[in-house]
Amino acid sequence: EVQLVESGGGLVQPGGSLRLSCAASGFTFRSYWMKWVRQAPGKGLEWVANIKEDGSEKYYVDSVKGRFTISRDNAKNSLYLQMNSLRVEDTAVYYCARSAYFAFDSWGQGTLVTVSS
Amino acid sequence: QSALTQPASVSGSPGQSITISCTGTSSDVGGYNYVSWYQQHPGKAPKLMIYEVSNRPSGISNRFSGSKSGNTASLTISGLQADDEADYYCTSCTSSTTLYVFGTGTTVTVL
Repeated sequence: EVQLVESGGGLVQPGGSLRLSCAASGFTFRSYWMKWVRQAPGKGLEWVANIKEDGSEKYYVDSVKGRFTISRDNAKNSLYLQMNSLRVEDTAVYYCARSAYFAFDSWGQGTLVTVSS
Repeated sequence: QSALTQPASVSGSPGQSITISCTGTSSDVGGYNYVSWYQQHPGKAPKLMIYEVSNRPSGISNRFSGSKSGNTASLTISGLQADDEADYYCTSCTSSTTLYVFGTGTTVTVL
């Protein structure tokens, strides 16, 4: 069974940093693109970032470029999102998701990031 | 990149069929057969229901079906059940620097 478990969320002040982690199990992690998706409170879903199987390609939504960095450690079956210069509008539940068929075929339970002073 | 347009809400009685539309442009929905649909119950993670316009993942009921015409994709739920009450989101690949765009979301209510 595919399992994705996010961690690292919490309360941070504007301008601060946070690193999210996603532990993967139940599938061959190194064989899949992985993604981060976020959902602001009471709002819709927003794709945040993609990373290729070997980490050689990374893509970001314009609003986080230069501030967020997606990475992975295939030896540890883990996905990461380093978030710097956080803004109030980055407040959201952050989900990691596995990519298959250009879709998001498995999701974690999400971790809440709150940016507030 | 603007979000894909979905109706805010759709409702139906048990056993009925409903259809949710997802309208984009030739740069996303109309340009790719990579439209997918997600079901999200309150407080839960989204769940993939349809991928590549009309394909169902293993374990998804055949009551859920997808289609596309031009710049508009659709999700049809037939034989509506109480557990179908949830939010539904479409998404598509795009030709812009935003690789994926989600729809605005539709709340399905079972009357």
